[in-house]
Amino acid sequence: GNSVTQMEGPVTLSEEAFLTINCTYTATGYPSLFWYVQYPGEGLQLLLKATKADDKGSNKGFEATYRKETTSFHLEKGSVQVSDSAVYFCALTPNTGGFKTIFGAGTRLFVKA
Amino acid sequence: EAGVVQSPRYKIIEKKQPVAFWCNPISGHNTLYWYLQNLGQGPELLIRYENEEAVDDSQLPKDRFSAERLKGVDSTLKIQPAELGDSAVYLCASSFGAQTGNEQFFGPGTRLTVL
Repeated sequence: GNSVTQMEGPVTLSEEAFLTINCTYTATGYPSLFWYVQYPGEGLQLLLKATKADDKGSNKGFEATYRKETTSFHLEKGSVQVSDSAVYFCALTPNTGGFKTIFGAGTRLFVKA
Repeated sequence: EAGVVQSPRYKIIEKKQPVAFWCNPISGHNTLYWYLQNLGQGPELLIRYENEEAVDDSQLPKDRFSAERLKGVDSTLKIQPAELGDSAVYLCASSFGAQTGNEQFFGPGTRLTVL
């Protein structure tokens, strides 16, 4: 079946450091891929998405590229801020068989000033 | 524009008691989802509605959980009776349809504690 695996946290970085959160997936066909972010006390919100191979999603300085050959969708940011501290979820929605979205377990990011 | 509204935000009950959660989706969103989120885990789908119809309830434990979306707008999720293992966050989300690339909009969740 479909699945998403993302790196375990917590990840602790200093402000202005480079961020990578790894995400790999298993799915048939060509799913859409998402990164959602959950700030403390809030619901999940979409950070970025990509709907086909080689697409790059980007938002708020974050980027992720849909890599079909490595079944990956790693999240990157060149310079993190304290305000980026949150939990990040990688997710996929298949393009066949009912469109059930599968989420990874989440990666908690702490950014220190 | 108002987001997805859920109530209550927190609920503490004793085991074997019933509990209900309410969700009002974003206006115009025909697809509504209920997810379960255990501590340290990602959301897991319980049920998805397209308008009034439950189109995916395969993960809903039907012996104790029930849900309804009578007029295709707001929805209620019920647990009766609650068990200790039901302690979790219950998330509601909505979208314009469930196609593969569609963004889901989440409410803040209801944190349930069963004692």
